[in-house]
Amino acid sequence: TQLLEQSPQFLSIQEGENLTVYCNSSSVFSSLQWYRQEPGEGPVLLVTVVTGGEVKKLKRLTFQFGDARKDSSLHITAAQPGDTGLYLCAGRNAGNNRKLIWGLGTSLAVNP
Amino acid sequence: GAGVSQTPSNKVTEKGKYVELRCDPISGHTALYWYRQSLGQGPEFLIYFQGTGAADDSGLPNDRFFAVRPEGSVSTLKIQRTERGDSAVYLCASSPQANTEAFFGQGTRLTVV
Repeated sequence: TQLLEQSPQFLSIQEGENLTVYCNSSSVFSSLQWYRQEPGEGPVLLVTVVTGGEVKKLKRLTFQFGDARKDSSLHITAAQPGDTGLYLCAGRNAGNNRKLIWGLGTSLAVNP
Repeated sequence: GAGVSQTPSNKVTEKGKYVELRCDPISGHTALYWYRQSLGQGPEFLIYFQGTGAADDSGLPNDRFFAVRPEGSVSTLKIQRTERGDSAVYLCASSPQANTEAFFGQGTRLTVV
């Protein structure tokens, strides 16, 4: 069974701090996606990375795909209370790229 | 509407009852997915439709769960003889094609008492 392990599971920080969330697997993925989910809402796609070593930036968020396409990280600079939410990574493998393999999520709270 | 719509938003039912959860995907999206999400967990894949047919139903936990999409648009997830362990948020997502970006609905929170 393919697994995506996310860490940390919970994170509570002060406004202005930096943080990194990790998503790791022993399996290779053809692509990996990061989502953000707020309470009572469905996940919203933030970014898709497809190339080993790829780095994408979305304002204060920086996403990186590992060289071997087995891991990824999300770095947030100068976190804001509006960044609070559940961050989920999800990967597609080459064999069955219709189905997303999901991590358990990182619950982030940014305190003012 | 512009997004994926799920109804009802909340459903409370008694153990043993039958429930139906509805998903209206984005118009023109051929791929439709059902997921189940428990508190503090990531979504768990249930079933994927391409058009009217269930292309992958490997995530359905048992034969009490069934889903249909008769006209290739609206889908209904049906749960028979509900159990307390079925309590979760059921998410629906649609995408233009199989492995393009999926757009999620707000989910239906099912509580079995």
